[in-house]
Amino acid sequence: KNQVEQSPQSLIILEGKNCTLQCNYTVSPFSNLRWYKQDTGRGPVSLTIMTFSENTKSNGRYTATLDADTKQSSLHITASQLSDSASYICVVSSNRDSSASKIIFGSGTRLSIRP
Amino acid sequence: DTAVSQTPKYLVTQMGNDKSIKCEQNLGHDTMYWYKQDSKKFLKIMFSYNNKELIINETVPNRFSPKSPDKAHLNLHINSLELGDSAVYFCASVGSSYNSPLHFGNGTRLTVT
Repeated sequence: KNQVEQSPQSLIILEGKNCTLQCNYTVSPFSNLRWYKQDTGRGPVSLTIMTFSENTKSNGRYTATLDADTKQSSLHITASQLSDSASYICVVSSNRDSSASKIIFGSGTRLSIRP
Repeated sequence: DTAVSQTPKYLVTQMGNDKSIKCEQNLGHDTMYWYKQDSKKFLKIMFSYNNKELIINETVPNRFSPKSPDKAHLNLHINSLELGDSAVYFCASVGSSYNSPLHFGNGTRLTVT
Protein backbone atom coordinates (compact mmCIF):
# COMPACT_ATOMS: atom_id res chain seq x y z
CA LYS A 1 0.00 0.00 0.00
CA ASN A 2 1.33 3.43 -0.97
CA GLN A 3 1.92 5.42 2.19
CA VAL A 4 3.83 8.47 3.38
CA GLU A 5 4.52 8.77 7.07
CA GLN A 6 5.97 11.83 8.77
CA SER A 7 7.51 12.39 12.15
CA PRO A 8 7.27 14.02 14.52
CA GLN A 9 3.60 14.93 14.37
CA SER A 10 4.40 18.25 16.04
CA LEU A 11 7.51 20.06 17.14
CA ILE A 12 8.22 23.17 19.19
CA ILE A 13 11.64 24.83 19.07
CA LEU A 14 13.12 28.17 20.02
CA GLU A 15 13.81 30.82 17.43
CA GLY A 16 17.29 30.50 15.98
CA LYS A 17 17.55 26.75 16.57
CA ASN A 18 17.81 24.10 13.87
CA CYS A 19 15.43 21.20 13.39
CA THR A 20 14.93 18.16 11.17
CA LEU A 21 11.65 16.70 10.02
CA GLN A 22 11.40 13.11 8.78
CA CYS A 23 9.46 11.42 6.01
CA ASN A 24 9.30 7.68 5.24
CA TYR A 25 7.45 6.39 2.20
CA THR A 26 6.45 3.11 0.63
CA VAL A 27 5.28 4.54 -2.69
CA SER A 28 6.14 2.52 -5.76
CA PRO A 29 7.00 3.22 -8.47
CA PHE A 30 8.70 6.39 -7.27
CA SER A 31 8.77 9.53 -9.40
CA ASN A 32 9.59 12.41 -7.09
CA LEU A 33 9.28 13.70 -3.55
CA ARG A 34 8.33 17.22 -2.59
CA TRP A 35 8.19 19.10 0.67
CA TYR A 36 5.42 21.67 1.04
CA LYS A 37 4.97 24.40 3.64
CA GLN A 38 1.43 25.23 4.72
CA ASP A 39 0.91 28.41 6.69
CA THR A 40 -2.24 28.67 8.79
CA GLY A 41 -5.21 29.58 6.64
CA ARG A 42 -3.28 29.15 3.39
CA GLY A 43 -2.73 26.45 0.81
CA PRO A 44 0.49 24.41 0.75
CA VAL A 45 3.42 25.89 -1.16
CA SER A 46 6.21 23.81 -2.67
CA LEU A 47 9.63 24.17 -1.01
CA THR A 48 11.74 21.54 -2.74
CA ILE A 49 11.44 18.67 -5.20
CA MET A 50 13.75 15.70 -5.57
CA THR A 51 13.83 12.92 -8.09
CA PHE A 52 15.34 9.46 -7.72
CA SER A 53 18.85 10.56 -8.62
CA GLU A 54 19.00 13.55 -6.29
CA ASN A 55 19.96 13.13 -2.65
CA THR A 56 20.05 16.71 -1.44
CA LYS A 57 18.51 20.01 -2.41
CA SER A 58 18.52 23.39 -0.71
CA ASN A 59 16.14 26.33 -0.79
CA GLY A 60 17.53 29.06 1.43
CA ARG A 61 17.50 27.83 5.02
CA TYR A 62 15.66 24.66 4.00
CA THR A 63 17.67 21.58 2.98
CA ALA A 64 15.95 18.40 1.90
CA THR A 65 17.63 15.02 1.64
CA LEU A 66 16.50 11.85 -0.05
CA ASP A 67 17.69 8.27 0.39
CA ALA A 68 15.91 6.33 -2.33
CA ASP A 69 17.31 3.02 -1.07
CA THR A 70 15.81 3.32 2.40
CA LYS A 71 12.88 5.42 1.11
CA GLN A 72 13.49 8.19 3.58
CA SER A 73 13.61 11.95 3.27
CA SER A 74 14.34 14.71 5.72
CA LEU A 75 13.81 18.46 5.78
CA HIS A 76 16.38 20.40 7.77
CA ILE A 77 15.62 23.98 8.78
CA THR A 78 18.56 26.10 9.80
CA ALA A 79 18.44 29.13 12.11
CA SER A 80 14.66 28.96 12.47
CA GLN A 81 12.56 32.10 12.30
CA LEU A 82 9.09 32.84 13.66
CA SER A 83 7.79 32.75 10.08
CA ASP A 84 8.83 29.10 9.83
CA SER A 85 5.88 28.21 12.08
CA ALA A 86 3.70 26.12 9.76
CA SER A 87 2.83 22.59 8.77
CA TYR A 88 5.36 20.81 6.58
CA ILE A 89 3.96 18.16 4.29
CA CYS A 90 5.92 15.44 2.51
CA VAL A 91 4.35 14.46 -0.82
CA VAL A 92 5.44 11.56 -3.03
CA SER A 93 4.42 11.12 -6.68
CA SER A 94 4.41 7.75 -8.37
CA ASN A 95 3.91 8.54 -12.04
CA ARG A 96 5.86 10.73 -14.44
CA ASP A 97 2.66 11.73 -16.22
CA SER A 98 1.31 14.49 -14.00
CA SER A 99 -2.19 14.15 -15.41
CA ALA A 100 -2.48 10.60 -14.09
CA SER A 101 0.04 10.81 -11.30
CA LYS A 102 -0.64 9.12 -8.02
CA ILE A 103 0.14 11.80 -5.45
CA ILE A 104 0.35 10.60 -1.87
CA PHE A 105 0.41 13.09 1.00
CA GLY A 106 1.88 12.68 4.43
CA SER A 107 -0.15 13.99 7.34
CA GLY A 108 2.38 16.74 8.01
CA THR A 109 4.52 17.96 10.88
CA ARG A 110 3.23 20.97 12.76
CA LEU A 111 6.24 23.17 13.59
CA SER A 112 5.98 25.98 16.11
CA ILE A 113 8.81 28.44 16.61
CA ARG A 114 8.87 30.20 19.98
CA PRO A 115 10.62 33.56 20.48
CA ASP B 1 -1.75 37.98 -9.46
CA THR B 2 -3.35 35.06 -7.66
CA ALA B 3 -2.44 31.84 -9.45
CA VAL B 4 -5.19 29.62 -8.01
CA SER B 5 -8.14 31.42 -6.49
CA GLN B 6 -11.07 29.91 -4.61
CA THR B 7 -14.30 31.49 -3.50
CA PRO B 8 -15.69 31.79 -0.95
CA LYS B 9 -12.97 31.59 1.70
CA TYR B 10 -15.51 30.78 4.42
CA LEU B 11 -18.86 29.06 4.03
CA VAL B 12 -21.24 28.41 6.91
CA THR B 13 -24.46 26.63 6.10
CA GLN B 14 -27.06 24.30 7.53
CA MET B 15 -27.45 20.58 7.00
CA GLY B 16 -29.40 19.68 3.92
CA ASN B 17 -28.47 22.79 1.95
CA ASP B 18 -26.75 22.79 -1.46
CA LYS B 19 -23.63 24.91 -1.93
CA SER B 20 -20.91 25.53 -4.50
CA ILE B 21 -17.24 26.42 -4.29
CA LYS B 22 -15.55 28.02 -7.26
CA CYS B 23 -11.95 27.65 -8.39
CA GLU B 24 -10.01 29.37 -11.13
CA GLN B 25 -6.36 29.14 -12.15
CA ASN B 26 -4.49 31.50 -14.44
CA LEU B 27 -1.40 29.32 -14.85
CA GLY B 28 -2.47 27.65 -18.07
CA HIS B 29 -2.41 24.22 -16.40
CA ASP B 30 -4.38 21.35 -17.88
CA THR B 31 -4.84 19.40 -14.64
CA MET B 32 -6.85 20.55 -11.65
CA TYR B 33 -7.77 18.90 -8.36
CA TRP B 34 -10.06 19.16 -5.40
CA TYR B 35 -8.69 18.10 -2.02
CA LYS B 36 -10.36 17.82 1.36
CA GLN B 37 -8.33 18.60 4.48
CA ASP B 38 -9.80 17.16 7.64
CA SER B 39 -9.37 18.25 11.25
CA LYS B 40 -6.11 16.29 11.45
CA LYS B 41 -4.75 18.36 8.57
CA PHE B 42 -4.57 15.35 6.27
CA LEU B 43 -5.09 16.22 2.60
CA LYS B 44 -7.18 13.69 0.67
CA ILE B 45 -7.74 13.87 -3.05
CA MET B 46 -11.35 14.03 -4.14
CA PHE B 47 -11.26 14.66 -7.88
CA SER B 48 -8.79 15.24 -10.66
CA TYR B 49 -9.64 16.80 -14.00
CA ASN B 50 -7.41 16.98 -17.04
CA ASN B 51 -8.46 19.39 -19.76
CA LYS B 52 -12.08 19.40 -18.56
CA GLU B 53 -12.30 15.62 -18.31
CA LEU B 54 -12.65 13.67 -15.06
CA ILE B 55 -9.56 11.56 -14.42
CA ILE B 56 -9.81 10.60 -10.76
CA ASN B 57 -12.83 10.23 -8.50
CA GLU B 58 -11.68 8.92 -5.16
CA THR B 59 -14.78 7.27 -3.67
CA VAL B 60 -16.42 10.59 -3.00
CA PRO B 61 -20.19 10.49 -2.30
CA ASN B 62 -22.22 11.40 -5.34
CA ARG B 63 -23.54 14.41 -3.41
CA PHE B 64 -20.26 16.00 -4.56
CA SER B 65 -20.28 16.95 -8.22
CA PRO B 66 -17.33 18.73 -9.82
CA LYS B 67 -17.89 20.78 -12.92
CA SER B 68 -15.23 22.07 -15.29
CA PRO B 69 -16.66 24.56 -17.81
CA ASP B 70 -13.16 25.10 -19.21
CA LYS B 71 -9.68 24.00 -18.24
CA ALA B 72 -9.10 27.12 -16.12
CA HIS B 73 -12.09 26.44 -13.88
CA LEU B 74 -13.07 23.55 -11.64
CA ASN B 75 -16.07 24.16 -9.44
CA LEU B 76 -17.37 21.90 -6.69
CA HIS B 77 -21.08 21.57 -6.00
CA ILE B 78 -22.26 19.80 -2.88
CA ASN B 79 -25.85 18.63 -2.43
CA SER B 80 -27.62 17.83 0.82
CA LEU B 81 -24.76 18.92 3.04
CA GLU B 82 -23.98 16.80 6.09
CA LEU B 83 -22.13 17.58 9.32
CA GLY B 84 -19.23 15.38 8.21
CA ASP B 85 -18.68 17.58 5.18
CA SER B 86 -17.24 20.26 7.45
CA ALA B 87 -13.59 20.64 6.42
CA VAL B 88 -11.28 22.84 4.42
CA TYR B 89 -11.48 22.23 0.70
CA PHE B 90 -8.48 23.05 -1.49
CA CYS B 91 -8.35 23.47 -5.21
CA ALA B 92 -5.01 22.84 -6.93
CA SER B 93 -3.54 22.74 -10.39
CA VAL B 94 -0.36 21.26 -11.86
CA GLY B 95 1.62 21.76 -15.05
CA SER B 96 2.30 19.03 -17.57
CA SER B 97 5.98 18.54 -16.67
CA TYR B 98 6.44 15.51 -14.42
CA ASN B 99 8.29 17.57 -11.80
CA SER B 100 5.83 20.44 -11.71
CA PRO B 101 4.61 21.25 -8.20
CA LEU B 102 0.98 21.48 -7.22
CA HIS B 103 -0.26 25.05 -6.92
CA PHE B 104 -2.92 25.33 -4.27
CA GLY B 105 -5.62 27.87 -3.63
CA ASN B 106 -5.95 29.20 -0.09
CA GLY B 107 -8.81 26.92 0.75
CA THR B 108 -12.51 27.20 1.55
CA ARG B 109 -13.44 26.48 5.15
CA LEU B 110 -16.87 24.83 5.06
CA THR B 111 -18.81 24.59 8.30
CA VAL B 112 -22.07 22.67 8.32
CA THR B 113 -24.30 23.26 11.32
